[in-house]
Amino acid sequence: GDSVTQMEGPVTLSEEAFLTINCTYTATGYPSLFWYVQYPGEGLQLLLKATKADDKGSNKGFEATYRKETTSFHLEKGSVQVSDSAVYFCALSDRDGGFKTIFGAGTRLFVKA
Amino acid sequence: DSGVTQTPKHLITATGQRVTLRCSPRSGDLSVYWYQQSLDQGLQFLIQYYNGEERAKGNILERFSAQQFPDLHSELNLSSLELGDSALYFCASSPQRGVSYEQYFGPGTRLTVT
Repeated sequence: GDSVTQMEGPVTLSEEAFLTINCTYTATGYPSLFWYVQYPGEGLQLLLKATKADDKGSNKGFEATYRKETTSFHLEKGSVQVSDSAVYFCALSDRDGGFKTIFGAGTRLFVKA
Repeated sequence: DSGVTQTPKHLITATGQRVTLRCSPRSGDLSVYWYQQSLDQGLQFLIQYYNGEERAKGNILERFSAQQFPDLHSELNLSSLELGDSALYFCASSPQRGVSYEQYFGPGTRLTVT
């Protein structure tokens, strides 16, 4: 079945450091890919998405490119801020299996001032 | 604010009891999803409804059931509760059921089973 694997956390960075959170997936069809973010005490919210190969999603300085050849959707940000501290979830949504969305385990990011 | 509301915010109950969690989707959204988030299992998809009909099922226990009503709100019923059912339960909604639609999450209901 479909699955999402993302790097284990926690990831601890200093402010203004470069961020990469790796995400790879397996899917039987042609999924859409998403990054969601969860701030402490809140529900998840969409950060960015890409619906087909080579699409780049971007929002709030974060970017991720849908790479079909490597089945990856790595999240990057050039300069993190303390306010980026949160848990980041990679997810896919696939037609096969009834439009389920499969989430990765989440990666907790701590950014120090 | 995502526009998705969930009640109650917190629920404390005893083992063996039954509870009902309620979700109101964003205005106009037809799809509702339920998730369970626990520390050791991460975010687990439970079930999806689209316009009143069940459309996809995940790791939902037989003790759990859900439905979506004609006004599109949804309820998740958890019965014969066990300590391991303690978790955050999230509801999410999306406009349609296609793969490209993102989901909008509610703030969650924290269930504690004692």
